[in-house]
Amino acid sequence: NAGVTQTPKFRVLKTGQSMTLLCAQDMNHEYMYWYRQDPGMGLRLIHYSVGEGTTAKGEVPDGYNVSRLKKQNFLLGLESAAPSQTSVYFCASRSPRPSYEQYFGPGTRLTVT
Amino acid sequence: KQEVTQIPAALSVPEGENLVLNCSFTDSAIYNLQWFRQDPGKGLTSLLLIQSSQREQTSGRLNASLDKSSGRSTLYIAASQPGDSATYLCATYSGSARQLTFGSGTQLTVLP
Repeated sequence: NAGVTQTPKFRVLKTGQSMTLLCAQDMNHEYMYWYRQDPGMGLRLIHYSVGEGTTAKGEVPDGYNVSRLKKQNFLLGLESAAPSQTSVYFCASRSPRPSYEQYFGPGTRLTVT
Repeated sequence: KQEVTQIPAALSVPEGENLVLNCSFTDSAIYNLQWFRQDPGKGLTSLLLIQSSQREQTSGRLNASLDKSSGRSTLYIAASQPGDSATYLCATYSGSARQLTFGSGTQLTVLP
């Protein structure tokens, strides 16, 4: 049971380049989330999905797009990377009621130069 | 909007001490509260989850309590060890917001 996995683990981009981060979960969860973690700012929600084919904005969605074409996968895209997007990105999925427990992936460390 | 606060931001204790980490939140309409551990450069590991109807949860040397009415949770670590050194994060889950709201964490150092 792999839980939540993220690809890639590390990435360096130049300003203006694009990339996609992949999150996969094998727990058949409906809800999935993308967070970013920055020093002094804590974890902040970027986008989330409540099921296949759905997405919604979180606290800091600007500059990011997401897609949930398959239930097990949640993709985070950066169309034109900026240095302000240098961060560690975490994906999570949520178990159903009654626990609503969230499970996190190992993270992707992204540097934009 | 939910706000979660963790005090202190950093804590250093000698090995063997019992310690308490504090978490407070402003909106008591939560489904649950989770405590996580994060090692440097690593992901989040869930330690304990307390449902809104529960008062406490225990796992090994860890005990977490929840007082919804006062908006507080504590994580008690018994007989601390150097391997407990990490950042501890608490987060509340709100059904209306459909998301976790995190505190900024307490960085714990247990000295040998």
